[in-house]
Formats: sequence, C-alpha cells, structure tokens
Amino acid sequence: QSALTQPASVSGSPGQSITISCTGTSSDVGGYNYVSWYQQHPGKAPKLMIYDVSNRPSGVSNRFSGSKSGNTASLTISGLQAEDEADYYCSSYTSSSSFEFGGGTKLTVL
Amino acid sequence: EVQLVESGGGLVQPGGSLKLSCAASGFTFSGSAMHWVRQASGKGLEWVGRIRSKANSYATAYAASVKGRFTISRDDSKNTAYLQMNSLKTEDTAVYYCTRPGMDVWGQGTTVTVSS
Repeated sequence: QSALTQPASVSGSPGQSITISCTGTSSDVGGYNYVSWYQQHPGKAPKLMIYDVSNRPSGVSNRFSGSKSGNTASLTISGLQAEDEADYYCSSYTSSSSFEFGGGTKLTVL
Repeated sequence: EVQLVESGGGLVQPGGSLKLSCAASGFTFSGSAMHWVRQASGKGLEWVGRIRSKANSYATAYAASVKGRFTISRDDSKNTAYLQMNSLKTEDTAVYYCTRPGMDVWGQGTTVTVSS
C-alpha cells in the first residue's frame, strides 16, 4: 500500500482536460513544496513532468500543470493528446528525510 | 548530456546478495546526492534510498522495507553509486533505477530477480 493515494485510473477524450490527485498527510505533501509528477510509458523509465509542486522542466509541454492544496496535490493535463496515455506517479519528500511515491494512475485517452 | 547507466542485475536465490552499480556522466557527480528507486513488474515506483555527497558526510537514508539489508555507497573517483543488497527476498524482485536529486534524469534500469 502506497503512502500517497492516487486514483487507479482516469480517462478523457482528446482535447479535454483531466486532473489526477495525490493525497498524503501533513508529514509529506502538506508539509513540503517538494511534490513531483512523473509520466511512464510501458517499458520505459519514468519522466519528470512537474517538480516542486508546479514547476515544469525544460521541454515539458505547458499542457501539464501542477498545484497543491493542503495535503492534496494535483496534476492537470489540458488539451489531451493520444501520446499522453501513460501511467502517472506523484512523489513527495517526507518528514523522515525520505521520499514516497503514489500508487500510480493509468491515464486512458479515449 | 546527463546520463545514468545501471548494471549488475541478475537472478539470485532468496537469501543471497547482489551489488548494483550506477555510472553517472554529464554532471558534477561528487556534489550530488544519488537515489535508488525500484519497480516490481506491473507495480508502482518505490523509493529505496539515497546517499548524499561528501559535503553532507555521505549520509544515507533507506525505505523501511530495505533498511538493514541494503546499503548505498559511492565512489566519486569513478562517478559511480552502488546498491549492495543482502538477505534478498522474493519481494525484492524489481527493476532498479538510479536517479539524481530532482529525479529529472533516470537510467534505463537493471532487473533483479530473486527466485529459487
């Protein structure tokens, strides 16, 4: 059982927007602005999409955005494209000087 | 170009040991912490542990699931981090990745299978 809770799956049609939530506690998500989001296609290594809650690395589409409210962080993907279909994971720094990942969310583009 | 290359994976019996390597290039390895993350087949990502730089006393931290069995070390002269895995269990079977702080760059992973 993962420390951070994500929905198992979400779906959307091309062009639509979807949001994936990541719920933790005040000892991780709520206590630090060190939440990241990763995209992983089958058989590939994870790819960083968002860091420090809402920052995008160079080269990541501005269709991806992140936010946080209390103990819940969110990843929003706007203008869904077929290539966005993948697994998405959140992670957070914790009060134990460790990191935790969410259980992952499978995004299906209908 | 920043690159991380893991190696050393393989098949090992329960109770056995294995040492993974992570060769880094393209950034100042000696000044960087390094993390290990694993992923069992069809499962999610799990943080394994990290080692900080010399300036931070090579401090290590581990996930509860591996503490006391796994040890992370580094050789800054070789730009390489290591993951020594002892007392391996079947549940340690996974692809093991190394990554640097920020987790913006990942290796291709190396597969560890613990089975009799």
